[in-house]
This record gives sequence, structure tokens and C-alpha cells, in this order.
Amino acid sequence: LAKTTQPISMDSYEGQEVNITCSHNNIATNDYITWYQQFPSQGPRFIIQGYKTKVTNEVASLFIPADRKSSTLSLPRVSLSDTAVYYCLVGVPYTGTASKLTFGTGTRLQVTL
Amino acid sequence: DAGVIQSPRHEVTEMGQEVTLRCKPISGHDYLFWYRQTMMRGLELLIYFNNNVPIDDSGMPEDRFSAKMPNASFSTLKIQPSEPRDSAVYFCASSFIGGGSSTEAFFGQGTRLTVV
Repeated sequence: LAKTTQPISMDSYEGQEVNITCSHNNIATNDYITWYQQFPSQGPRFIIQGYKTKVTNEVASLFIPADRKSSTLSLPRVSLSDTAVYYCLVGVPYTGTASKLTFGTGTRLQVTL
Repeated sequence: DAGVIQSPRHEVTEMGQEVTLRCKPISGHDYLFWYRQTMMRGLELLIYFNNNVPIDDSGMPEDRFSAKMPNASFSTLKIQPSEPRDSAVYFCASSFIGGGSSTEAFFGQGTRLTVV
């Protein structure tokens, strides 16, 4: 499974755009990139997933360069409620042992006024 | 659907006792995962099932841990005997592929286990 590297923590002010970058130099051809969000005392929650270029949903955008060795989760105009830990995962969706979702250390985002 | 349901939400037990954690996945989901989360080790995958069959249990820390999935709507994680170092939050998650490529998994609220 591709190993991921993320910043341990980030700080932002409310209303700003936040970009969290994840490095995955050993990403394989069939791997997808998935981001989860976890609030204190809750289980992780799926945010977004992509394979290449750009993916956008109502919550975030995911930018993946052509070499796919990194990805950036973009949160537009964060609010206090976006304070959470964000995890980047890389893997092949559900094929044998590569199916398991392996979480790294995540990035702790703190949003303040 | 009510989502993934775990019980109990909190469990305090004495060292040496048997502990059973329960999980009801989302109806129709064919994958079920058990995770453990601690401050020191983060989120660790313990075991996962596909169509009720254990696929990978390499994350199960010791023989004291066992997991079963007798049917599509129920799974248990048992620790016998429990030790203080087993104290953690245990999460259950489920997902459905159905030919798609999404790896979205839905997590339960977790069971906070404290072994004293």
C-alpha cells in the first residue's frame, strides 16, 4: 500500500481557503486517493475521492497533478466547524489485501475567529 | 438507514474480563471493518470482512482478539482476557462496492473501552 505523508497540523482563520497536501510517492497505477474527516468523539467521515486531475463536490475540491505523487484537499471558506483531523488514504478500491483502508497520522486543522 | 450502529458506546471493565463489542452495519453493505484508535497509534485496521468472510486479520494484535460475522447484519469483536493496554476507541465501518470504484466507508460512533 502506498505510504502517505501529511502535515501534522495546520491553523487557519474562519473564512479562509485551506489547502492540505498529501504526498504519496509510491502510488500505484490503480490506486485512488481518498480523504476523510474526523471530529472528536466521532468516526471518520468520507469527504472526497479522486483518481486524477480535479474532483469537486459540495464540501471540498481535490487536486491531483499528472504524476499523482501528491494530492491537495482544498476547503473553501472554512468555518469553526471545519476544525477536525483530515486523513489522506491511497489504495485500490476493494481488491484483496489492497482493499483495506489504512489511515495515516492525519492533519489536525484548527480554525479560529 | 440509521447508519452503522455500535454497542455499547462506553465500556469499563476490569483486567482479565471478557469484552464483547457489537456492530450492525448498514443494510446491503458487503464490507465490514473493525478499527482501533489510540492517541499513540492512531487509527489501526484490525480486521475486515467481505460478505461475512474474514479477508484480512493481520491487524489483530494478539490471540486475545477475535472477530466474527455470523450474518450480514451483525459482527462482534471480542477481547479475552482484556488488558489495560486494550483501552481505546473501537470503530466499526461498513461499505458497499457493487461494481463501483468508491472506497467510501461509513463509520459508527465507536465504543470507548477502558480496561482498569
